[in-house]
Formats: sequence, C-alpha cells, structure tokens
Amino acid sequence: DTGVSQNPRHKITKRGQNVTFRCDPISEHNRLYWYRQTLGQGPEFLTYFQNEAQLEKSRLLSDRFSAERPKGSFSTLEIQRTEQGDSAMYLCASSLSGSGTYNEQFFGPGTRLTVL
Amino acid sequence: GQNIDQPTEMTATEGAIVQINCTYQTSGFNGLFWYQQHAGEAPTFLSYNVLDGLEEKGRFSSFLSRSKGYSYLLLKELQMKDSASYLCAVSLAGKSTFGDGTTLTVKP
Repeated sequence: DTGVSQNPRHKITKRGQNVTFRCDPISEHNRLYWYRQTLGQGPEFLTYFQNEAQLEKSRLLSDRFSAERPKGSFSTLEIQRTEQGDSAMYLCASSLSGSGTYNEQFFGPGTRLTVL
Repeated sequence: GQNIDQPTEMTATEGAIVQINCTYQTSGFNGLFWYQQHAGEAPTFLSYNVLDGLEEKGRFSSFLSRSKGYSYLLLKELQMKDSASYLCAVSLAGKSTFGDGTTLTVKP
C-alpha cells in the first residue's frame, strides 16, 4: 500500500501524559499536513511542512503541540501534558506541490486520541 | 480570516440529483476543493476548481463563482454509497481551510 499511513490508529492516555503520533506520507510528496477533527466538524489545520521546513503553524495551537519532519519524509506530532480537550481524531495528509498540480491532499486514516 | 458555510445535513433519494452549496468569505483564494468523508474514515479528494465554471467528473460535478464566493457540488444518479459527509475547502498559500461538512443521507 503506497498511501499515507499513521500510527498508532488509537491512543488512550491519562490527562497530563505526553503522546507522540507518526505519519508516513506518500513517498514522492513534498508537503505534509497535520489536522485535528472532532465530531461534526471539518478538519482543523494545525501545521504543515514543505520537505523538512515547517512553513506554518496555526495560531490556535498551544505550545504543548510540536511537530517535526526531520528528513523531509515521515513526521511526528507530539502533544505534551495532554488535556481532555485534546481528545480528537488527528489526521495527516500529504500532497505534491508544483506547477501542473492541484496540490490535492491525500489523507491518512488518522489517529484517534482519547484523554481520560 | 476564513469563513466557510455549508448546510449541516441533507437528505435525498436514491437515483435523484442533489446539490450541496458552499459559500466562503476569505482573505485570499487560490482554489476550492471538495472532499468526501465516510463516517469513521479519512477525507478523499473529489474535485478542485480554480476558475469560474463547471468541472465534471462522472456522476460528480463542481461549480465555482469566485466573484460570488460560491461553489456547489452536484451529485447525479445518487447511490446508497454516496451517504457521507461532503467537505468544502478553500485553498490559499499551500494550505486548505475546511468547512464543517454537509452530511448527506441517501434513502431508498
């Protein structure tokens, strides 16, 4: 399967713990995005990378959230000191940007986080 | 900022045609995407409009009017498997801002 993959698919943690999620994009894609989605809402933009550079981070994102894409391939999203309000589906997407492309995003299956 | 509006829910009958509208007020605009999302699954790309007019892809068509800040997704010959959420997303400077989606229920 050459689609976007995410691990783990489900994570249950206690409030105050740190969690880390991984995303492996489609191999030739240079852009990688992280979103958060809660029930009944559309995906909410968190951050995105072009290759290894983090180009934008949502102003809504607290300092407890950090993302990396060290070699321009896979990415990790870490949430420190989790809160119950962090419970959501975390979606990763990748795209190929450049002339002649739509830059449409291909989404992974998501990581569902539950904070108890 | 970005403000994207879609109806929350719609219901239609198998075999019929349904139009899902999206209006947007944004500080910039490159193009507009439509995605389909089945319950519990990730969104999948349906269409992209950058110029005014209609783009047709099989049973699905998408229309854009940039001057009116308006788009619609047209689904023809509805099938039960089309029951899903349909997300409108505005693209600007490499990132997309999504609406909250329209949940379409197709009934026999």
